[in-house]
Amino acid sequence: EVQVLESGGGLVQPGGSLRLSCAASGFTFSSYGMHWVRQAPGKGLEWVSSATSSGDNTYYADSVKGRFTISRDNSKNTLYLQMNSLRAEDTAVYYCAKGTVTTMLYFDYWGQGTLVTVSS
Amino acid sequence: EIVLTQSPATLSLSLGERATLSCRASQSVSSYLAWYQQKPGQAPRLLIYDASNRATGIPARVSGSGSGTDFTLTISSLEPEDFAVYYCQQRRKWPLTFGGGTKVEIK
Repeated sequence: EVQVLESGGGLVQPGGSLRLSCAASGFTFSSYGMHWVRQAPGKGLEWVSSATSSGDNTYYADSVKGRFTISRDNSKNTLYLQMNSLRAEDTAVYYCAKGTVTTMLYFDYWGQGTLVTVSS
Repeated sequence: EIVLTQSPATLSLSLGERATLSCRASQSVSSYLAWYQQKPGQAPRLLIYDASNRATGIPARVSGSGSGTDFTLTISSLEPEDFAVYYCQQRRKWPLTFGGGTKVEIK
């Protein structure tokens, strides 16, 4: 059974940092692109960042470029999101999602999300 | 950035009725569009990819159509589990973008 499980969320002050993790199981992690998608309270979905299966290519939304870094450790089946210089508008549930087999650019399995709250 | 506009924002329908949801792109996305369903407190679920292909386990009453800039998600006869928020998403160009969502509520 495919599972992705996020962790690392919490309350952080503006300007602070946080690292999210996503532990994957039930599939060959190193063969799939992986993504972070967020959802602010009561709002819609916003794509944040993607990494190809090897991690050699990464992509970012303009809203987080230069502040967030996506990475992966295929030996540990884990995806990461390092978030620096956090702002109030980064407050959201952050979902880890697996890319589909035909193209990495759709999301076929999602975790339950981890809440990041940026507030003083 | 490709902007996806979904309409209507809210759709009020009864059990057994047909639901028709629209997603319009600001430029052509060819057939590179997906639909997701999200229920309160849950993660989204992939329903349709590449405009018209049902994802694994999605029932036949759910279908997608369209290409270019205009897309439709149709639920032929609403079941209780279909009342939720639906999002479209394009993969034609980076950044990947989602529509604002359509809420299907019980009338």
